[in-house]
Amino acid sequence: EAQVTQNPRYLITVTGKKLTVTCSQNMNHEYMSWYRQDPGLGLRQIYYSMNVEVTDKGDVPEGYKVSRKEKRNFPLILESPSPNQTSLYFCASSLIAGYLGEQYFGPGTRLTVT
Amino acid sequence: GESVGLHLPTLSVQEGDNSIINCAYSNSASDYFIWYKQESGKGPQFIIDIRSNMDKRQGQRVTVLLNKTVKHLSLQIAATQPGDSAVYFCATRGSTLGRLYFGRGTQLTVWP
Repeated sequence: EAQVTQNPRYLITVTGKKLTVTCSQNMNHEYMSWYRQDPGLGLRQIYYSMNVEVTDKGDVPEGYKVSRKEKRNFPLILESPSPNQTSLYFCASSLIAGYLGEQYFGPGTRLTVT
Repeated sequence: GESVGLHLPTLSVQEGDNSIINCAYSNSASDYFIWYKQESGKGPQFIIDIRSNMDKRQGQRVTVLLNKTVKHLSLQIAATQPGDSAVYFCATRGSTLGRLYFGRGTQLTVWP
């Protein structure tokens, strides 16, 4: 089954404790992206990757890191999480960056930083 | 910066009626527009898209209209069903390839 998987689905952590949210897709997609969703703000792009070893900042990259060492994986790293990073996070992928319409989204990771 | 806005945060319709969800964008150079549906507890799901060289595109029970003059697009859902209840987002592709800008979403509620 074609899908984007994220782990963990739910995470409660404390300020400053490094964490990684994994994202994996099995569709051989070139493009992957991370978004955060906050009430009343819609989805905002954090980072995206056009292909392996190519990553770029989105609207809200501060406090986040990403890497794309393999085509299928695009982990999101929070080196020192803070309460303002409490949010719902979505990873997404599409075949190519030029056609973002048919992006496949993961199920989301709900992160709470206390 | 680029922005995408929705006119109404909530919309309630009767089952069987047509629904219209509106969206405005700021960048006149935007050339590609997408509508997503997000059901409770799930990630967004692609509904329909339209490129700037078109004014209208139809899918199954959905139609997207694009008015580039006033930088406005709308999603029309025909014969709205309870299963259409969800949050609907419009999004535009940015000037930089790979960038995507979302609106804030409209919660559509369908009453029986």
